[in-house]
Amino acid sequence: QVQLQESGPGLVKPSQTLSLTCTVSGASISNGDYYWSWIRQPAGKGLEWIGRVYSSGSTNYNPSLESRVTISMDTSKKQFSLTLGSVTAADTAVYYCARLGSLRGTTYFDSWGQGTLVTVSS
Amino acid sequence: EIVMTQSPDTLSVSPGERATLSCRASQSVSSNLAWYQQKPGQAPWLLIYGASTRATGIPARFSGSGSGTEFTLTISSLQSEDFAVYFCQQYNNWPLTFGGGTKVEIK
Repeated sequence: QVQLQESGPGLVKPSQTLSLTCTVSGASISNGDYYWSWIRQPAGKGLEWIGRVYSSGSTNYNPSLESRVTISMDTSKKQFSLTLGSVTAADTAVYYCARLGSLRGTTYFDSWGQGTLVTVSS
Repeated sequence: EIVMTQSPDTLSVSPGERATLSCRASQSVSSNLAWYQQKPGQAPWLLIYGASTRATGIPARFSGSGSGTEFTLTISSLQSEDFAVYFCQQYNNWPLTFGGGTKVEIK
């Protein structure tokens, strides 16, 4: 059974860069049937898809964040990572990593990490 | 991007009663729609994909219907563990987008 675990600083200063890592166990991150994705959720609000990375290294980002986001993958460590630059208080949220189907008609999130709260504050 | 709108924002239901949640897409998403359940302090959990297919281990009291722009999640007889927030998500177009959620609370 696939498990995902987010890690990274819980506090980031405004204008700095947020960096998180997701470690995957119980599944191969190189499996071409899946994308690996980040989603965030401000407190008491809805879900926002941030972007995804594929085993080839190809990426796709939400246009609302694209200028500030990079998602990358390290298959040897079974990890994928998120960096979000020039953060403001509006980036304060619980950040989730999740597995996303890559085959036609399967692009839903079938496994999620527990989430990690990142607060942007000086 | 495709905007997903859920209604109502909050649904008050007594245990054992039926709950009907709606999700509308700003343009057709065919049957490329998923539903998730989220409990306080937890990650969302996949309930339904393909608009009507239950995910592994999901009880039969959960059912999904619809296609195009109008979708419904029905919980036939609410159990105590079903009180939660429910989100819909379209995966017909990038970027992937979610509805704002419907909170199902105890009446």
